Amino acid sequence: DAKTTQPTSMDCAEGRAANLPCNHSTISGNEYVYWYRQIHSQGPQYIIHGLKNNETNEMASLIITEDRKSSTLILPHATLRDTAVYYCIVRSGSYNTDKLIFGTGTRLQVFP
Amino acid sequence: DAGVIQSPRHEVTEMGQEVTLRCKPISGHDYLFWYRQTMMRGLELLIYFNNNVPIDDSGMPEDRFSAKMPNASFSTLKIQPSEPRDSAVYFCASSLRTSGRALGELFFGEGSRLTVL
Repeated sequence: DAKTTQPTSMDCAEGRAANLPCNHSTISGNEYVYWYRQIHSQGPQYIIHGLKNNETNEMASLIITEDRKSSTLILPHATLRDTAVYYCIVRSGSYNTDKLIFGTGTRLQVFP
Repeated sequence: DAGVIQSPRHEVTEMGQEVTLRCKPISGHDYLFWYRQTMMRGLELLIYFNNNVPIDDSGMPEDRFSAKMPNASFSTLKIQPSEPRDSAVYFCASSLRTSGRALGELFFGEGSRLTVL
């Protein structure tokens, strides 16, 4: 299973872009990159996922490098409510044995 | 849409007692996952089901833990007998496979906080 490496914590000023990096150098060709976040004591919340191309939705953008060995989650205008633990996950298993294994994530603190 | 519903939200029990946690997935979803979260070990995948069939239970810590999904709208996670080290927040999540090879978004419940004294 591909492993991910994320910084333990990051800070970001409110209103600025938060760029959260993730290294997944052992990712294989058919594995997707998923991002989730967990706000204190709540269940994790899906943000975005991608395979090769960059993706954007109403919450964030996902930039995946051409070699797919790393990715960056971008929150374009961070707010205090974006303070959370962000998990970068590479989907494990073959086509019919999906599972998402959460690592330790990055604790993002957005400050005023 | 009511989302994933878990019960009870909080449970305090004594060591040796049986604990049953319940989960109602989102209607129409074909995957159901049970996770456990502690400060020490983070979020751990215990077991997951596809179309009510257990696919991977390699994360179930020991024989004291069992999970069932008798139908598409209900699943249980049972601990018998419970021990203090089982104290954790247990999350249930459901998902629907999207087209192609991607697993769809996991929708998590609010969790069941278990304390075993």
